[in-house]
Amino acid sequence: QVQLVESGGGVVQPGRSLRLSCAASGFSFSYYGMFWVRQAPGKRLEWVAYISYDGSEKNYAGSVKGRFTISRDDSKKTLSLRMNSLRPEDTAVYYCAKDWAVTTPAAYFDSWGQGTLVTVSS
Amino acid sequence: EIVMTQSPATLSVSPGERATLSCRASQSVSSNVVWYQQKPGQAPRLLMSGVSTRATGFPARFSGSGSGTEFTLTISSLQSEDFAVYYCQQYNKWPPTFGQGTKVEIK
Repeated sequence: QVQLVESGGGVVQPGRSLRLSCAASGFSFSYYGMFWVRQAPGKRLEWVAYISYDGSEKNYAGSVKGRFTISRDDSKKTLSLRMNSLRPEDTAVYYCAKDWAVTTPAAYFDSWGQGTLVTVSS
Repeated sequence: EIVMTQSPATLSVSPGERATLSCRASQSVSSNVVWYQQKPGQAPRLLMSGVSTRATGFPARFSGSGSGTEFTLTISSLQSEDFAVYYCQQYNKWPPTFGQGTKVEIK
């Protein structure tokens, strides 16, 4: 079955960087667009970044654009999120999520990882 | 971006009773709405797509309806495993956006 396992979260000071990873298994990773979605304490879910199935298209939420970079390695079935210039408001559980549709994104998510907590605090 | 507003924030229901959750979009999203169920300490789980198509593993007591800007998720007879937070999400227009969630708790 589909499995998504995130790693890389932790406590980091404002202005520092962190890299999240998501290991995928149980499906044809290279056929699907992938997302990062976060959930800050007490807040609603928020889409953060998207990468197309072939890596040719990337989109970012305005709150992270210019600071975060999404990437994928199909040979390793891994999704990554490089987060630079972190701010306290980036504190959240970060989920990787698989798009429902093959190739063309539907932009809803039929599988999620268990999440990894990022805390930005001095 | 499209704002999704869910009501109520918390719904207190006794087991066996019916629960009705609402989701409103700030502009028409056609039928491009999904619902997720999230239990404490777990990731969201896709519950309903295309407004009314149940995902694998969810029983028929879950049903969805609506179109345009008004959507409803109904749980006909609540079971203990249904107590959770439910989120709606629109995917009609980029970026995908979520409601703030409705917590269904035991009365």
